[in-house]
Amino acid sequence: AQTVTQSQPEMSVQEAETVTLSCTYDTSESDYYLFWYKQPPSRQMILVIRQEAYKQQNATENRFSVNFQKAAKSFSLKISDSQLGDAAMYFCATTSGNTPLVFGKGTRLSVIA
Amino acid sequence: DVKVTQSSRYLVKRTGEKVFLECVQDMDHENMFWYRQDPGLGLRLIYFSYDVKMKEKGDIPEGYSVSREKKERFSLILESASTNQTSMYLCASSLSSLALETQYFGPGTRLLVL
Repeated sequence: AQTVTQSQPEMSVQEAETVTLSCTYDTSESDYYLFWYKQPPSRQMILVIRQEAYKQQNATENRFSVNFQKAAKSFSLKISDSQLGDAAMYFCATTSGNTPLVFGKGTRLSVIA
Repeated sequence: DVKVTQSSRYLVKRTGEKVFLECVQDMDHENMFWYRQDPGLGLRLIYFSYDVKMKEKGDIPEGYSVSREKKERFSLILESASTNQTSMYLCASSLSSLALETQYFGPGTRLLVL
């Protein structure tokens, strides 16, 4: 079975600063995928970024990037130049492709103006 | 843009009532999912479906059933609502069973069972 652990229930960051959200996972699969989803207050959850485990290069989407450490089973999300609109719940998730996504419990990010 | 809609944003029901939560997606997606979201517990999968008339149990199916008579519509049914089913319910869909496919979420239904 796959599991995802987000050890930080809440985080805060000053506007324009950088913040890193932690995620560790466990899987017995050799081929799997990792995701970060964002759920803004009272708005729909959207995909932020995804990473294929066989790719060594860390994924990047504008101000969002990941630090994928396969051996350590770690998949952290870095948000650069934080903006007020980044305030949200962030969920880390994984799937091997044969099973549905498994989500972590989430990290609530506050952005301080 | 993919649109996933849910029939209600807020719902108040009484214990023992039969409750229907409807989800519709407009992008011909194969897969549809129902999650339950509770503070401190994250998203937990209730049921999912990879095709019309097909359903699979997720991690917490007890007390729930689902129906998928048409590809675009996936219904979650609480046969006899109980107070411990008070929660936020999220529907999602994805194009195919490929692991890299993005899941698109609806806005959620916040259900209160009294």
